[in-house]
Amino acid sequence: GQNIDQPTEMTATEGAIVQINCTYQTSGFNGLFWYQQHAGEAPTFLSYNVLDGLEEKGRFSSFLSRSKGYSYLLLKELQMKDSASYLCAVRDQTGGSYIPTFGRGTSLIVHP
Amino acid sequence: EAGVTQFPSHSVIEKGQTVTLRCDPISGHDNLYWYRRVMGKEIKFLLHFVKESKQDESGMPNNRFLAERTGGTYSTLKVQPAELEDSGVYFCASSQDPSSYEQYFGPGTRLTVT
Repeated sequence: GQNIDQPTEMTATEGAIVQINCTYQTSGFNGLFWYQQHAGEAPTFLSYNVLDGLEEKGRFSSFLSRSKGYSYLLLKELQMKDSASYLCAVRDQTGGSYIPTFGRGTSLIVHP
Repeated sequence: EAGVTQFPSHSVIEKGQTVTLRCDPISGHDNLYWYRRVMGKEIKFLLHFVKESKQDESGMPNNRFLAERTGGTYSTLKVQPAELEDSGVYFCASSQDPSSYEQYFGPGTRLTVT
């Protein structure tokens, strides 16, 4: 199975940049996901990385290093609406399964 | 296009009772997944349907949980009899094919067993 670690909580100021880290251990890596979840709502897909490097999508970027078992989600120009839980999930292809395993999530609080 | 919907949004039942949760996936999505998040813990996989067939049910906690997807459209997850530890948020997700990297999640059903 996988072991996924991410910080429990982070705080940041509106307009700033924040980096949320995720480390994982898996034997058959087949992709890493980041989801955003506002309280009481569905997790929404943010990004998917399967190759090393940085994927940029607007204010959000996601980085992956497979050799280090490490990813981060970078949020720029923070807005109050970015306050949410950010979930890191890793997919393992062992056994042909495409089911992601989730971390516990990082609760991001953006304050004025 | 309608997203994944789940019913009810909240359910409070007593230990020993039965509850049935429903999930309507995005139209045309053959793959349907059930997950559960117990308070303070991570989202955990329960099972995966491809159309009406159970592809992977390795995450189902015990035989008190029964999932069905008759006709390959909506799915139900029945808990009978419910126990206190079954409390949590049950999420449903769907995707067009199993290797698709994007699963679309529903808003979840918050189940409280008292």
